[in-house]
Amino acid sequence: EAQVTQNPRYLITVTGKKLTVTCSQNMNHEYMSWYRQDPGLGLRQIYYSMNVEVTDKGDVPEGYKVSRKEKRNFPLILESPSPNQTSLYFCASWSGLAGLETQYFGPGTRLLVL
Amino acid sequence: GNSVTQMEGPVTLSEEAFLTINCTYTATGYPSLFWYVQYPGEGLQLLLKATKADDKGSNKGFEATYRKETTSFHLEKGSVQVSDSAVYFCALTMNRDDKIIFGKGTRLHILP
Repeated sequence: EAQVTQNPRYLITVTGKKLTVTCSQNMNHEYMSWYRQDPGLGLRQIYYSMNVEVTDKGDVPEGYKVSRKEKRNFPLILESPSPNQTSLYFCASWSGLAGLETQYFGPGTRLLVL
Repeated sequence: GNSVTQMEGPVTLSEEAFLTINCTYTATGYPSLFWYVQYPGEGLQLLLKATKADDKGSNKGFEATYRKETTSFHLEKGSVQVSDSAVYFCALTMNRDDKIIFGKGTRLHILP
């Protein structure tokens, strides 16, 4: 079954404690992306990756890092989380050939930073 | 820059009512347009799309027509069901671009 998985699904942490949210896809997609969803703001893109070792900033990259060492994985790293990073995070992947209309989303990770 | 504007929700309707969720866009050039649906506790799923002017996307009884003259892509359904309760996002992407721009989402409640 084609899917994007994220872990953990729920996370409560404290300000300044580094955390990583993992994302993995099994469709051999070239592109992957992270979004955050906030009430009244919709989805905003954080970072995206066009292939292994190739990443670029989205609209709201401040406070986040990513890496793409393998095609299937695209972890999101918060080096020093702050309360304004409390949000619902989605990872997504899509085929470079077929385009964004083939984008698959993960189930989401709800993060609370105290 | 490019942007998407959706009607604010929540929208509350009775079962079998007619649904319209408005979406307008601003873009330089000719975007592809999408509607995504997010059911409670889940990620987004592509509902329908249109890639050029006058195209009509349709799926699960939902339809939207790409109107270049009014820069709109309104979502419609003739008879909604309780199971259609979800958040709906309008989105655009410029061809050959790697970014997708989402509207803020419209929450839909359908009452039995």
